[in-house]
Amino acid sequence: GQQLNQSPQSMFIQEGEDVSMNCTSSSIFNTWLWYKQDPGEGPVLLIALYKAGELTSNGRLTAQFGITRKDSFLNISASIPSDVGIYFCAGAPYTSGSRLTFGEGTQLTVNP
Amino acid sequence: DTGVSQNPRHKITKRGQNVTFRCDPISEHNRLYWYRQTLGQGPEFLTYFQNEAQLEKSRLLSDRFSAERPKGSFSTLEIQRTEQGDSAMYLCASSLSSGAYGYTFGSGTRLTVV
Repeated sequence: GQQLNQSPQSMFIQEGEDVSMNCTSSSIFNTWLWYKQDPGEGPVLLIALYKAGELTSNGRLTAQFGITRKDSFLNISASIPSDVGIYFCAGAPYTSGSRLTFGEGTQLTVNP
Repeated sequence: DTGVSQNPRHKITKRGQNVTFRCDPISEHNRLYWYRQTLGQGPEFLTYFQNEAQLEKSRLLSDRFSAERPKGSFSTLEIQRTEQGDSAMYLCASSLSSGAYGYTFGSGTRLTVV
């Protein structure tokens, strides 16, 4: 099935460092979402973006919806050990209630 | 509200057997989605319901797969004649049809076909 191109695939960082990951698509999306998944659990929504150019923060997390509507990035500042997990971007064609297309994920490891 | 509940959490079955998974969504959510996630990949859309109506099915949902939501509440996903390639995490999510993406995922059912 169609997937978004997400990079990097994995990151190993020291506690306190900032992290950046991004997602690109060949198709336009009208909504971009970022999820975090812990082992054995379902994804949990972190940030939702609904307008091209939108920059949204949620605590130490900041995400942007690219102007072209074909990309998005997620930044995590001052990482802590509980940030460990897999981060997924997801895109949707509409602004509410339809199928999501997910990226392949970025595995984040934070060394204390 | 206990969130989205999926049962069982794990299922091991022999190739060729039929399996059925259940999803109980958040009670006021009228949309229910099924996704499949294989190791190292993001979730892939399978199908979704609005109330009891199945509104969209992915091409990933072969003839061996069937999903139902008979009364617009819980949903079941059945896989007939399981194959090793069906081994994956099956995720259910629910949301309201209007408004923003208030998708809530369950913890999933991990299927292993041996």
